[in-house]
Amino acid sequence: EAQVTQNPRYLITVTGKKLTVTCSQNMNHEYMSWYRQDPGLGLRQIYYSMNVEVTDKGDVPEGYKVSRKEKRNFPLILESPSPNQTSLYFCASWTSYEQYFGPGTRLTVT
Amino acid sequence: SQKIEQNSEALNIQEGKTATLTCNYTNYSPAYLQWYRQDPGRGPVFLLLIRENEKEKRKERLKVTFDTTLKQSLFHITASQPADSATYLCALDRTNTGNQFYFGTGTSLTVIP
Repeated sequence: EAQVTQNPRYLITVTGKKLTVTCSQNMNHEYMSWYRQDPGLGLRQIYYSMNVEVTDKGDVPEGYKVSRKEKRNFPLILESPSPNQTSLYFCASWTSYEQYFGPGTRLTVT
Repeated sequence: SQKIEQNSEALNIQEGKTATLTCNYTNYSPAYLQWYRQDPGRGPVFLLLIRENEKEKRKERLKVTFDTTLKQSLFHITASQPADSATYLCALDRTNTGNQFYFGTGTSLTVIP
């Protein structure tokens, strides 16, 4: 089954404690991206990747890092999380136009 | 910068009627627009894509139009059913390169039995 998986699905953490949210896709897609979704603001693109070792900033990259060492994986790293990064995060992958989204990770930073 | 605006209020319609959702953009016309469905607590699911040279696209009970003069896309669900209740998002490729996307905030649709 074609899918994008994310882990963890829920995470509560404290300010400053580094965390990683994993994302994996099994469709051999070249493109992957991370979004955050906040009430009233919609989905906003954080980072995207066009292929292995090729990444670029989206609209709201501050406070986030990504890496793409393998085609299937695209982890999102928060080196020093802050409360304003409390949000619902989605990973997506695509090869031509149609984006496939993961189930989401709800992150709370206290 | 490019902005997308969708119906800001929730839309409630009676079962069997046609729901029409609006997506307006502000600046340049994108090469294509996408429509997604999102259920509470879940990731968006792709529904339809319409290109700038297409006036209309259909898929089962769904129809999308694209008017580059009005800078608007309309999304129609005919013969609506309670199962169509969800939030619908429109998205455009902000650089026409296939990797950077703006999403609208979505329109919440409720179909009343």
